[in-house]
Amino acid sequence: GAVVSQHPSRVICKSGTSVKIECRSLDFQATTMFWYRQFPKKSLMLMATSNEGSKATYEQGVEKDKFLINHASLTLSTLTVTSAHPEDSSFYICSARVRAGARLYGYTFGSGTRLTVV
Amino acid sequence: AQKVTQAQTEISVVEKEDVTLDCVYETRDTTYYLFWYKQPPSGELVFLIRRNSFDEQNEISGRYSWNFQKSTSSFNFTITASQVVDSAVYFCALSEAGFGNEKLTFGTGTRLTIIP
Repeated sequence: GAVVSQHPSRVICKSGTSVKIECRSLDFQATTMFWYRQFPKKSLMLMATSNEGSKATYEQGVEKDKFLINHASLTLSTLTVTSAHPEDSSFYICSARVRAGARLYGYTFGSGTRLTVV
Repeated sequence: AQKVTQAQTEISVVEKEDVTLDCVYETRDTTYYLFWYKQPPSGELVFLIRRNSFDEQNEISGRYSWNFQKSTSSFNFTITASQVVDSAVYFCALSEAGFGNEKLTFGTGTRLTIIP
């Protein structure tokens, strides 16, 4: 259980266009999802936390207007990279918090999206 | 603020050797969770273990074992009789347990290469 499906797995787009990445919880309701960015041979850096039905909370240094996050339902969060540029090329991973009652059980991760902006 | 340090950037060992990956954490919370994840070249994160701050028992799962020591704020991971399939990047991570967003903070990772 607690599976998160992330699409697309790979995307190549032209500079200046926008790209949407979807993250769906398949068998549970994810009230909170997290979006990470990973540069080659680097760690996962948290970009933002999205809560269903409210505005996302962005980490310091992350441009809100560049990385639009929407969490309109309990099973879907989206990340839109707007006006993409080559420096936005990266590996993006979503994650959902999994609870067992009131306790934190853990986190489940999507399989990641490799974005290349040309 | 929470912080996770994995001082070993890269480790290479010959197959069948044992290897220990170090993890040191910092947190002001008394209740927190520690995790280890494996990231193979495909990029997907594979969950290995979760440990809460009240459970200091060491754990063994097959060739994997974990040593949690609150006194030194460490949560080290040992692979016994390593295999080529163990080659991957391993991340240690920490989550503070206050009821809120419970962000997961990752260490910088250790790239493990098992030489056949």
